[in-house]
Amino acid sequence: GAGVSQSPSNKVTEKGKDVELRCDPISGHTALYWYRQSLGQGLEFLIYFQGNSAPDKSGLPSDRFSAERTGGSVSTLTIQRTQQEDSAVYLCASTPDRVSGNTIYFGEGSWLTVV
Amino acid sequence: GNSVTQMEGPVTLSEEAFLTINCTYTATGYPSLFWYVQYPGEGLQLLLKATKADDKGSNKGFEATYRKETTSFHLEKGSVQVSDSAVYFCALSTGNTDKLIFGTGTRLQVFP
Repeated sequence: GAGVSQSPSNKVTEKGKDVELRCDPISGHTALYWYRQSLGQGLEFLIYFQGNSAPDKSGLPSDRFSAERTGGSVSTLTIQRTQQEDSAVYLCASTPDRVSGNTIYFGEGSWLTVV
Repeated sequence: GNSVTQMEGPVTLSEEAFLTINCTYTATGYPSLFWYVQYPGEGLQLLLKATKADDKGSNKGFEATYRKETTSFHLEKGSVQVSDSAVYFCALSTGNTDKLIFGTGTRLQVFP
């Protein structure tokens, strides 16, 4: 597709279960980001992948959160042993290269609800 | 560290009113500055940007000027429409990572 694609768009899970969220960036984009948007909060940076470089994981809130990017394209964000405070919209974004000031393109997000 | 502060909402206006949403930033170096918009039920999309001091970004009647002396990037529109109702996010990126740091967002509600 033409844009950043995320799945699932909505996920309801029980507390303590693991969840996986998937992101397909725009074809050819080397940089990929995950952000979290909680109700009433801004966008919180989680992790950033750029080409073959080591990812910037500085925003991951705990060791229950991890992400990988296979083949420099698709990325999966995994949340283990989910907690209610993990409920949020998880946004993926991509950009063509690492030149500062580039436009970042966002997907529509995966809405996670932990019950 | 780098951060963005924007005015809390909601901002409620009548159609054709003048809009200002304040945004100030703290950053090392020379950041690029952005406004993103999130319309109801849609994903975030870039509204406008400015990459160096005194640049003015503009789009869809919205404008913002990069003011280094006041570390600000206030969003303005001369005459808002109901269709402008959305959440507006100010953001910056620094260095060569393009990692965006966002403000908390300001909800704009425009009534006929």
